[in-house]
Amino acid sequence: GAGVSQSPSNKVTEKGKDVELRCDPISGHTALYWYRQSLGQGLEFLIYFQGNSAPDKSGLPSDRFSAERTGGSVSTLTIQRTQQEDSAVYLCASSLRGGVNTEAFFGQGTRLTVV
Amino acid sequence: AQSVAQPEDQVNVAEGNPLTVKCTYSVSGNPYLFWYVQYPNRGLQFLLKYITGDNLVKGSYGFEAEFNKSQTSFHLKKPSALVSDSALYFCAVRDMARGNNRLAFGKGNQVVVIP
Repeated sequence: GAGVSQSPSNKVTEKGKDVELRCDPISGHTALYWYRQSLGQGLEFLIYFQGNSAPDKSGLPSDRFSAERTGGSVSTLTIQRTQQEDSAVYLCASSLRGGVNTEAFFGQGTRLTVV
Repeated sequence: AQSVAQPEDQVNVAEGNPLTVKCTYSVSGNPYLFWYVQYPNRGLQFLLKYITGDNLVKGSYGFEAEFNKSQTSFHLKKPSALVSDSALYFCAVRDMARGNNRLAFGKGNQVVVIP
């Protein structure tokens, strides 16, 4: 596709359930980032992939959060045993090689609501 | 770590008047600076970037930004604001700690253009 695609666009889940969020980056982009945007907050970095490897997972809030990337393309962010504080918009971005001078392109996000 | 600050929460401007959204940065080494815009219920859209060269950078939708090394600023500007420019604006800097080249974002500025 022409841009970064995320699914689902909206997800409502019950507290304690697991959720999976999907990101399809722009074809050929080797770098992939996950961010979280909470109401009234800025963007919080979660994890970075270069290819299928995640050299920096330092932004993941807890061990309930995990992510993987397969085939250097699609990435899945999994949140186990969701809590109400996990409610946020989860944004995925990709960039060409992740170089310092390359901009990142964002998907429209997944709005997660934990009830 | 590299960081940016957006000192204002909201910027109100009358349609047709000049628009300025402020951003200051703190980096060690060369700054790689970006501006993004977020319309309601949408992901972030890239506006422009400063890597090196001319201090005045031109971007999308008539926006430009001025890099000022002595003031460590990268303010976003538009000569004549439109109502459709009402959105959330984020300044960002490449944070090259841990070698992941993540984008570190400011908290964002809500711009309201008054008809």
